[in-house]
Amino acid sequence: AQKITQTQPGMFVQEKEAVTLDCTYDTSDPSYGLFWYKQPSSGEMIFLIYQGSYDQQNATEGRYSLNFQKARKSANLVISASQLGDSAMYFCAMTGNGGFKTIFGAGTRLFVKA
Amino acid sequence: EAGVAQSPRYKIIEKRQSVAFWCNPISGHATLYWYQQILGQGPKLLIQFQNNGVVDDSQLPKDRFSAERLKGVDSTLKIQPAKLEDSAVYLCASSLAPGIEQYFGPGTRLTVT
Repeated sequence: AQKITQTQPGMFVQEKEAVTLDCTYDTSDPSYGLFWYKQPSSGEMIFLIYQGSYDQQNATEGRYSLNFQKARKSANLVISASQLGDSAMYFCAMTGNGGFKTIFGAGTRLFVKA
Repeated sequence: EAGVAQSPRYKIIEKRQSVAFWCNPISGHATLYWYQQILGQGPKLLIQFQNNGVVDDSQLPKDRFSAERLKGVDSTLKIQPAKLEDSAVYLCASSLAPGIEQYFGPGTRLTVT
């Protein structure tokens, strides 16, 4: 069975500093995708970044990068130069072989301090 | 480009009543998802459509929940009869194909009293 674990219920970071949000996963599928989504207090889920299980390089999207360590089954999100608007819930998610069985972690709430 | 539309945004019903939610995905997106997000938890996939066919409904409580996607575009999710534990936000999402980024609607917040 697939599983996503986010062990940090809440994180604080100072504005303009970098922060790492942890995500570990478990799957027996040979091919899978890993995603990070942001959910502000308004509630709408926003896609941030994607990493395929066969991708050799870590994904980057602007201030977001995904630290993918396949052997350790981890897919941590790094946000550089945090902004006040980054305060939100962050969810790690995974899809299995063929793009089915999407599962989400419990989320990490990030607080950015001025 | 218009995003994923959902209605209603809020719904309050009594237990044992029925309710229906509607979703209009982004134009051209073949894959549509319904999720249930209970307060304080991550979303849980209820059903996934590819065009108008169901490809995964393994976590859909089929004794009370049903969903359809006629003509491979709009979709409706129905609960009949509702239970107190169905109180949650119901999120609809769509993607061009399975396994790539999903785009979410604003959700419908359901309260069952």
